[in-house]
Amino acid sequence: KAGVTQTPRYLIKTRGQQVTLSCSPISGHRSVSWYQQTPGQGLQFLFEYFSETQRNKGNFPGRFSGRQFSNSRSEMNVSTLELGDSALYLCASSLFYPQGSRYQETQYFGPGTRLLVL
Amino acid sequence: KNQVEQSPQSLIILEGKNCTLQCNYTVSPFSNLRWYKQDTGRGPVSLTIMTFSENTKSNGRYTATLDADTKQSSLHITASQLSDSASYICVVGPGRDSGYALNFGKGTSLLVTP
Repeated sequence: KAGVTQTPRYLIKTRGQQVTLSCSPISGHRSVSWYQQTPGQGLQFLFEYFSETQRNKGNFPGRFSGRQFSNSRSEMNVSTLELGDSALYLCASSLFYPQGSRYQETQYFGPGTRLLVL
Repeated sequence: KNQVEQSPQSLIILEGKNCTLQCNYTVSPFSNLRWYKQDTGRGPVSLTIMTFSENTKSNGRYTATLDADTKQSSLHITASQLSDSASYICVVGPGRDSGYALNFGKGTSLLVTP
């Protein structure tokens, strides 16, 4: 079974531009979560989608948005890029949403998209 | 304040030696605790998942322990190999009542040298 794929792997943008990142989960997985990883802050949760609905959202500004399609593929968009948005953006998929005491779903991470904002 | 603290921040050990990484958390209540390994330039890979009722879980040379009373977990690596060089991230998942937030530690960077 193919793993989680993310495109593009590397991206260079300038301040003020917008960017769209794509994530294809493992076949059959319905939950997709997005994370931002920086050396100083570690992994930070952006949002999670399950069956095309955003179920949860982290503490990021409205410039960060996402969506999920009927085939579970997900996109993340960042508008009006800032220098501080330079980071590794990771996507993770699981069969069901990874929260709650009843579930011990393993999240499978993609390789990430490294975004550099100049 | 981060609710998951990992120590040490970085660690260098010789190949073949054992090491233990620590994770202290304040997340409460919590449903499960996970350890991930992240190689440089790659996404994290799950090593272990433990519920609050489990004390230990092994995955090959990796053994995770959990003390829910003291809110501490450790990841023990035995007979380290060069390929163990990576960042190890502790993740604590809250219970239903706390709303969603997988709480991530900032990781321990491990370097195994020949």
